[in-house]
Amino acid sequence: EVQLVESGGVVVQPGGSLRLSCAASGFTFDDYTMHWVRQAPGKGLEWVSLISWDGGSTYYADSVKGRFTISRDNSKNSLYLQMNSLRTEDTALYYCAKVAYDRYSSSTLEYYFDYWGQGTLVTVSS
Amino acid sequence: DIQMTQSPSTLSASVGDRVTITCRASQSISSWLAWYQQKPGKAPKLLIYKASSLESGVPSRFSGSGSGTEFTLTISSLQPDDFATYYCQQYNSYTLTFGGGTKVEIK
Repeated sequence: EVQLVESGGVVVQPGGSLRLSCAASGFTFDDYTMHWVRQAPGKGLEWVSLISWDGGSTYYADSVKGRFTISRDNSKNSLYLQMNSLRTEDTALYYCAKVAYDRYSSSTLEYYFDYWGQGTLVTVSS
Repeated sequence: DIQMTQSPSTLSASVGDRVTITCRASQSISSWLAWYQQKPGKAPKLLIYKASSLESGVPSRFSGSGSGTEFTLTISSLQPDDFATYYCQQYNSYTLTFGGGTKVEIK
């Protein structure tokens, strides 16, 4: 059974830093691109970042570029999001999400999500 | 970035109704579109991918259509479990975008 469990969400002051983690199980983690998606309270979904199976490629939403860094440790089946220079508008529930196709598939670049974690809440407030 | 516009933002319907939600892309995304259902306090659930392919385990009353810039999600006969918020998502580019969501409420 695929499981994604996020952790690390807390209350932090504007300008502060935080690292989120996502522990993955039930699939071959190092065969899949992984993503972070966030949802501000009462709002819609916003894609944040992606990292390729080997960590060699990363992409970011303009709203977090230069402040957030995505990484992974395949030996630990874990995904991370380092968040710096946090702003009040970064307050959200942060989900990690798995794409449907592994790196061997001809559809490997089809980035839609078949599994999501339960999310971890980040609150940026003074 | 590609903008995704969903309409309506809220929809009131009754059990048994046929419901259609529209998603428009700011530029052509071919068929690279997914639909999700989200219930309060839960993570989104995949319903449709590649515009019209039904995810395994999803009831056949859900269907998707469209290509290019205009897409629809149809629920053929609304069931009590279907009252939720629905999101479209484009994956034509590495920077993904979601629509603003459509909340389906009980009439």
